[in-house]
Amino acid sequence: DVKVTQSSRYLVKRTGEKVFLECVQDMDHENMFWYRQDPGLGLRLIYFSYDVKMKEKGDIPEGYSVSREKKERFSLILESASTNQTSMYLCASSVTRSNQPQHFGDGTRLSIL
Amino acid sequence: DAKTTQPPSMDCAEGRAANLPCNHSTISGNEYVYWYRQIHSQGPQYIIHGLKNNETNEMASLIITEDRKSSTLILPHATLRDTAVYYCIVRLYSGGYQKVTFGIGTKLQVIP
Repeated sequence: DVKVTQSSRYLVKRTGEKVFLECVQDMDHENMFWYRQDPGLGLRLIYFSYDVKMKEKGDIPEGYSVSREKKERFSLILESASTNQTSMYLCASSVTRSNQPQHFGDGTRLSIL
Repeated sequence: DAKTTQPPSMDCAEGRAANLPCNHSTISGNEYVYWYRQIHSQGPQYIIHGLKNNETNEMASLIITEDRKSSTLILPHATLRDTAVYYCIVRLYSGGYQKVTFGIGTKLQVIP
């Protein structure tokens, strides 16, 4: 089975802190994604990566950056956390073959105080 | 991606089959139907997908009508742990960029 592991289920940080969210997948997937999920807004794509050291902006990249130094690991960085970044963050991975689904981690519920 | 329509909520008795419908009347010939579910406070879980033939795996069955304008996800023997929001999505492969967008989904309540 595909396993996508996010480092924390719950995280509380303060405004202005630099926050790191880590995601690891064990299936040698080329593509990795970071989403946030908010009530009434659904899933929104922040960044994705299709290869090591490659990254592309999604729909809402402002205030975030990412890092993919190894194929299995994709990190999301909140440069200076703000209260409007309180959300559920979801990591996903997939292969590049056309019809294969994305697989999601269990999410990190991040609260910025 | 084609738009999908699902009922907002459904109930199912424990042990009975849960049949969750999805309409996708604007689906194009090379778009796949995918089903995910999301249990409260967890990440979305992939269930099954198909193009035009019926599909079955250890979790569920997917029945796609011959005209492909609708489909049904079947959980053969629903348990309390199947209580979740179920999302039907239709997607066309678009290279490496495969953003997933969920609609409102169907909130399935399995009743003891």
